[in-house]
Amino acid sequence: QKEVEQDPGPLSVPEGAIVSLNCTYSNSAFQYFMWYRQYSRKGPELLMYTYSSGNKEDGRFTAQVDKSSKYISLFIRDSQPSDSATYLCAMSANFGNEKLTFGTGTRLTIIP
Amino acid sequence: NAGVTQTPKFRILKIGQSMTLQCTQDMNHNYMYWYRQDPGMGLKLIYYSVGAGITDKGEVPNGYNVSRSTTEDFPLRLELAAPSQTSVYFCASSYGRGPNLAKNIQYFGAGTRLSVL
Repeated sequence: QKEVEQDPGPLSVPEGAIVSLNCTYSNSAFQYFMWYRQYSRKGPELLMYTYSSGNKEDGRFTAQVDKSSKYISLFIRDSQPSDSATYLCAMSANFGNEKLTFGTGTRLTIIP
Repeated sequence: NAGVTQTPKFRILKIGQSMTLQCTQDMNHNYMYWYRQDPGMGLKLIYYSVGAGITDKGEVPNGYNVSRSTTEDFPLRLELAAPSQTSVYFCASSYGRGPNLAKNIQYFGAGTRLSVL
C-alpha cells in the first residue's frame, strides 16, 4: 500500500463546476498538508498548505483535512479553464518539511 | 526574478554516459532538493541539502551524487546512466525551518527531461 493515495484521473468538468480532489494517507504522523498545481511541462507550484485538521479557504480554493479519517480534499469553486492542470497533494510529519511525500497527482481539465 | 533555474531543459543520454544536471537559485534559500517524477509515480526525493557543504539522501538516491559548495548551486550528477533513470528531474528550494510555515514552502524549477537510451 502506498503511503499516499491519489486518484490519477483524468477528471474533466465543465467550466463553472465545483471540483473535488482527494488524497488518502496511511502515516498517522503526517500533520502538514499541501496542494501543488502543476501545469503541463512546468514545475509544481504551491497552491495551499494547512496544518493538522480543519479547513482553509483562499479565494476559489478550499483545503480540508480530516486526520481522523486520514483524508484530505481540495475544492475548487467556479472552475475556470485556467485551472486545467495536474494537482498533487503532499504531506510531511516534520515542521521543516524537507521530506515531503507526494501523491501521484490528479489531471484536471476544465471544459469551456 | 529568476527563482530556481535548471539546465538543460532536455537531454538524451546513451547507457553508461555521465552528465550533470545544473540547478541554481537566487532567493538565498538554505534548503535545496532534487526530485524525479515518473508517470503515475508522483515526485520522489533523490537528495537534499540544508546548507552549503551538507547533503543527505532522500528516498531514491542510488545512481546519483550531489554536492553543495555554494548556497546558490546544487548540481545532480549521474555517473553511469541507465534506462531506469529516464525521468523528469525537478530541483526545488526553500528558506528552511522556522516558526512561519511560509518559510518552508518549496519552490520548484521548470524541470529537466532526461531520456537514457
